[in-house]
Amino acid sequence: AQSVTQLDSQVPVFEEAPVELRCNYSSSVSVYLFWYVQYPNQGLQLLLKYLSGSTLVKGINGFEAEFNKSQTSFHLRKPSVHISDTAEYFCAVTSMDSNYQLIWGAGTKLIIKP
Amino acid sequence: ETGVTQSPTHLIKTRGQQVTLRCSSQSGHNTVSWYQQALGQGPQFIFQYYREEENGRGNFPPRFSGLQFPNYSSELNVNALELDDSALYLCASSLGTSGSLAKNIQYFGAGTRLSVL
Repeated sequence: AQSVTQLDSQVPVFEEAPVELRCNYSSSVSVYLFWYVQYPNQGLQLLLKYLSGSTLVKGINGFEAEFNKSQTSFHLRKPSVHISDTAEYFCAVTSMDSNYQLIWGAGTKLIIKP
Repeated sequence: ETGVTQSPTHLIKTRGQQVTLRCSSQSGHNTVSWYQQALGQGPQFIFQYYREEENGRGNFPPRFSGLQFPNYSSELNVNALELDDSALYLCASSLGTSGSLAKNIQYFGAGTRLSVL
């Protein structure tokens, strides 16, 4: 069965420092990949998505992610974080394996230290 | 603002009771998906409705049921509530068309937080 692994449950980082949130997936077929952000007491907002084409995907709020098929990864990066980036970040994948339903990782809490 | 609204925002029920959660999808969207998000976990897919028909179901028992109406709004019903049903229930709408459902972005509401005592 398809699965998504977010290796870090929490990532603390100083303000203005770079950050990488890791996401690995398992699938034997073509996948579509997503990163969503969830601010406290809110729903999920799409940050960026990979459907096809360039493996480097740019999203909102200065985030970007790179699709690496050989490593089955889709890590999220930001060169300089701000206090307002404090949130939980979820990686999700969909494909024929999951009958095109979204399969979610457990989430990574990004904690910004002043 | 995604245009997806859920009601109520919070709900407290006791074991054995029944609950109905509601979702209004974004204008023009014909697909609604429901998710359960337990504390500290990612969302778990419950089911999806496309043009008023169930279009996929996750690993949830039959006491979780749903409806989609002609205006594409949707309800999630849970019977015989259990303590483990306490969670944030998220609704997402998308413009799904046959053959390209995978590519349609899901827009989420703020969720309904259900507490079962």
